[in-house]
Amino acid sequence: EAGVAQSPRYKIIEKRQSVAFWCNPISGHATLYWYQQILGQGPKLLIQFQNNGVVDDSQLPKDRFSAERLKGVDSTLKIQPAKLEDSAVYLCASSLTATTNYGYTFGSGTRLTVV
Amino acid sequence: AQSVAQPEDQVNVAEGNPLTVKCTYSVSGNPYLFWYVQYPNRGLQFLLKYITGDNLVKGSYGFEAEFNKSQTSFHLKKPSALVSDSALYFCAVRAAGNTPLVFGKGTRLSVIA
Repeated sequence: EAGVAQSPRYKIIEKRQSVAFWCNPISGHATLYWYQQILGQGPKLLIQFQNNGVVDDSQLPKDRFSAERLKGVDSTLKIQPAKLEDSAVYLCASSLTATTNYGYTFGSGTRLTVV
Repeated sequence: AQSVAQPEDQVNVAEGNPLTVKCTYSVSGNPYLFWYVQYPNRGLQFLLKYITGDNLVKGSYGFEAEFNKSQTSFHLKKPSALVSDSALYFCAVRAAGNTPLVFGKGTRLSVIA
């Protein structure tokens, strides 16, 4: 089966600019996650979707971050305006269901550098 | 809320020697425990999981992990390390129900030839 697709792979922007990341999960996976991985740290959950509804966005900085999952398939994560501390790898993952006993499948991530 | 501790930032081991990467966890109720590996410029790859059953679980690439409920630990092990095992390893936990995975900060494994 095809994996989780993410684009772009790399992005460099200036602070205060906006940026968007795209994720296409594995076909049929109802649950989609966005994680932020800052260098030297483990991935931190930003938002969890179940189909096209938000399950958990408690750690999403909503003043600058937004995410959507239209039609319960693809998802986009946006940052506007970006700050230097947003420099990180943004990982998208999907799973069949939120309560699956299986692990998530991760995409390769988007490396964001804010200068 | 659940949490994971990986007490070692770096583990160095000689090729052919056994390796252990440590992980302890905190979660309400029964834990669902996972190990992932991350190679440079790649996403996280699933290695193994503990849901229930035998405390010793076997996974990909010859890795195994031992679940110890009394010590709330889930250490990753391999009997004989390979240079190609050098990577960043993450332990993760989630509680039962609709809860997401929570990751540790990672341990960098370096296998020296």
